[in-house]
Amino acid sequence: QVHLQESGPGLVKPSETLSLTCTVSGGYISPDYRDYYSWIRQAPGLGLQWIGCIQFSGSTNYNPSLKSRVSLSLDLANNQFSLNLKSVTAADTAIYFCARRDYDNRFDPWGQGILVTVSS
Amino acid sequence: QSVLTQPPSASGTPGQRVIISCSGSTSNIGSNYVQWYQQFPGAAPKLLLFRNNQRPSGIPDRFSGSKSGTSASLVISGLRSEDEADYYCAAWDRSQSGIVVFGAGTKLTVL
Repeated sequence: QVHLQESGPGLVKPSETLSLTCTVSGGYISPDYRDYYSWIRQAPGLGLQWIGCIQFSGSTNYNPSLKSRVSLSLDLANNQFSLNLKSVTAADTAIYFCARRDYDNRFDPWGQGILVTVSS
Repeated sequence: QSVLTQPPSASGTPGQRVIISCSGSTSNIGSNYVQWYQQFPGAAPKLLLFRNNQRPSGIPDRFSGSKSGTSASLVISGLRSEDEADYYCAAWDRSQSGIVVFGAGTKLTVL
């Protein structure tokens, strides 16, 4: 059974870059073009916001509200995909989840989430 | 502000039937499937329904869904105390080169 796990710093200073990695275990990053490896975040006490996704081919799709600051990448050798969010502010403080999305738009499975706080 | 509109809260007593609504537009719910997720405090969301009304394995048939036009509904029958959680609807939105949109979530309280 595929399992996802986020990792990275829990504290980032304002104006710096937030960098997180999601490791896929119990399986691998699928070459199926219908699978999208995604990032979703949830600000404290608020709802879910889709950040973007990347396919095995390296093709990406981003939330327009974050597009100018976000980049996703793959590391197939280590079965990982990563998120970089630059020029962060306190508004980027959130729990960041990685998840696999399929052709039916199902996010499953999800990682457990990692809280990232933006503060000096 | 979320693209999909959900009521912030819902409640019911054990055994009751509760309906949670999700309203969108022609570019999302009106032209794509709806998914529902259940989230307990401190945990990641869990897929509850996909393709409007399909349950993944392990999800009890007390949970059902429907869609009509640009709105969708999650129905929980035979409400149990363990159903107390946040529920989110989601859909693909074909505007803006294609994005995933979520509702703001509905907090379900079992009285």
